[in-house]
Amino acid sequence: NAGVTQTPKFQVLKTGQSMTLQCAQDMNHNSMYWYRQDPGMGLRLIYYSASEGTTDKGEVPNGYNVSRLNKREFSLRLESAAPSQTSVYFCASSEREGDNQPQHFGDGTRLSIL
Amino acid sequence: QKEVEQNSGPLSVPEGAIASLNCTYSDRVSQSFFWYRQYSGKSPELIMSIYSNGDKEDGRFTAQLNKASQYVSLLIRDSQPSDSATYLCAVKTGGYNKLIFGAGTRLAVHP
Repeated sequence: NAGVTQTPKFQVLKTGQSMTLQCAQDMNHNSMYWYRQDPGMGLRLIYYSASEGTTDKGEVPNGYNVSRLNKREFSLRLESAAPSQTSVYFCASSEREGDNQPQHFGDGTRLSIL
Repeated sequence: QKEVEQNSGPLSVPEGAIASLNCTYSDRVSQSFFWYRQYSGKSPELIMSIYSNGDKEDGRFTAQLNKASQYVSLLIRDSQPSDSATYLCAVKTGGYNKLIFGAGTRLAVHP
């Protein structure tokens, strides 16, 4: 029962390098989300995909791009990494949009940018 | 800017006591409220959801919602050391299933 799987779990990058974080869910959920979590700031939404084929910006989208590859997979790309993007990144999914739909989280990717 | 506020803690309670965690939110039209538990270095785990005014109980957990006061709380009865974690309050706002998270309250249950 995998749920939401994120790869990699840890990564160290140098400033200016690019990287793609991968996320896949096996719950047949329609909606998927990318968050970042920084100390003392809680989780902040970067991008989300309400359904396959759609993506929208969240609260902090600058410096990121996303791709909803298919219903299962939602990737997050850093084109030119900056030290301010050092964070823990969580992918989440929910069955569909709607008031009562809880989100289920992956284990996170811990990303350090030097 | 829609906000969700929580006391960062730590909230320290003895084993067996009731832990009371509080959350206030700014968006008056919010309809759905969630409590997540996050152990250090782990991902958030959903423990309670509440949508209507009043209390909702699930085992040792009770969520309380007061929309007029824009206030949601989580009570943990018979607190155990294994309950020591950060508790995140999340509020759904806007037309999509977008959650706004509070920064979390760290709970420490001591034997």
